[in-house]
Amino acid sequence: DAGVIQSPRHEVTEMGQEVTLRCKPISGHDYLFWYRQTMMRGLELLIYFNNNVPIDDSGMPEDRFSAKMPNASFSTLKIQPSEPRDSAVYFCASSFNDRETQYFGPGTRLLVL
Amino acid sequence: AQKVTQAQTEISVVEKEDVTLDCVYETRDTTYYLFWYKQPPSGELVFLIRRNSFDEQNEISGRYSWNFQKSTSSFNFTITASQVVDSAVYFCALRDYGGATNKLIFGTGTLLAVQP
Repeated sequence: DAGVIQSPRHEVTEMGQEVTLRCKPISGHDYLFWYRQTMMRGLELLIYFNNNVPIDDSGMPEDRFSAKMPNASFSTLKIQPSEPRDSAVYFCASSFNDRETQYFGPGTRLLVL
Repeated sequence: AQKVTQAQTEISVVEKEDVTLDCVYETRDTTYYLFWYKQPPSGELVFLIRRNSFDEQNEISGRYSWNFQKSTSSFNFTITASQVVDSAVYFCALRDYGGATNKLIFGTGTLLAVQP
């Protein structure tokens, strides 16, 4: 069974450009999470969805960040415009329900120049 | 407030040594889950184990074992006969059982370096 799939694995862009990160959760999982990992702040939850509906976006740093989940098998995290401080590894995770283990994708390593 | 503390920032051992990674947590909830994840140099986060607060039995899986003690709010992880492939950052995490959020609270991680 395929795990969580993320693309791209690496992204290098220039400040001011739009960045779109993609995630395909494990089939049958109703919860999808976006995390960010930085040296300064560690792993932090940005937003999560239940049945494609955003439930908690309190971790989204600012209006430049947005996330969507148009269907059960696809989610995007968009940064517009990107800034150098957005450089981080972005992880997507999914779980079967709200009490089950969250399984993580391989992450997208983003570098904003 | 919930908090996970991994006081050991880095540990270096020689292959075949046993090593214990410490995890101390804080929560006001009576029911919660604890997790360990491994992050190898390749960067992915690999799930290792989940325990709920009702189950204090220690668990062993091959060379890995976990010691959960509610009395000291600790969930320590031991690798027996360490191998170079065990080199990674290990994260302990906490999630409350029925809270309003599904947020995993991660510790800062322990970097384990196993030397050949």
